[in-house]
Amino acid sequence: DIQMTQSPSSLSASVRDRVNITCRASQTISSYLNWYQQKPGNAPKPLIYAASSLHSGVPSRFSGSGSGTDFTLTISSLQPEDFATYYCQQSYTAPRTFGQGTKVEIK
Amino acid sequence: QVQLQQWGAGLLKPSETLSLTCAVYGGSFSGYYWSWIRQPPGKGLEWIGEINHSGSTNYNPSLKSRVTISVDTSKKQFFVKLSSVTAADTAVYFCARRASAGVNKFIFYFDYWGQGTLVTVSS
Repeated sequence: DIQMTQSPSSLSASVRDRVNITCRASQTISSYLNWYQQKPGNAPKPLIYAASSLHSGVPSRFSGSGSGTDFTLTISSLQPEDFATYYCQQSYTAPRTFGQGTKVEIK
Repeated sequence: QVQLQQWGAGLLKPSETLSLTCAVYGGSFSGYYWSWIRQPPGKGLEWIGEINHSGSTNYNPSLKSRVTISVDTSKKQFFVKLSSVTAADTAVYFCARRASAGVNKFIFYFDYWGQGTLVTVSS
């Protein structure tokens, strides 16, 4: 299985801060990396697919980059509604595996 | 607008079989893979497996011996059964649509999700 490791596991940030979350794959996955946002009690929502493509309706303050084994989700200016847990997921091979999550909390 | 609605028993005893249904409303049923994903309380996401409209399946090897995913195309529903459950199977179970983005078969993601069903295994 491909292991996905996110860092940090949690972070505290203020509104309008720039936030970076990283995801590392245990082997190369080209650009086959997706990002999701999950709020308590809700299903995850897609943000980014194929490392850098924005899912329909997602605000442009979210962006993704990377290829190979190292990827980054960036929120350019954190908004109150962005406080949530973020997960990466590889689509290179089965089993589809997720990172352990990064919780973004209010400072 | 695509909606996934899921249901099933929420409380099981050890050794029983978990059984959940996911119904798809709106949009096409064929042409997609339909997935099950679970999340233990306070933990991360684990992919269980997937099926397409013709019944082709892929399973997580860690659960393959106990899981069966099936489909009823006429009703636009798909199902998961997990046998011999233990407390470790306690989780919120989600159904989700696996959407492809382009002709590259590796570019896909889970774009629509069910509301989740909490399944608790306890004696």
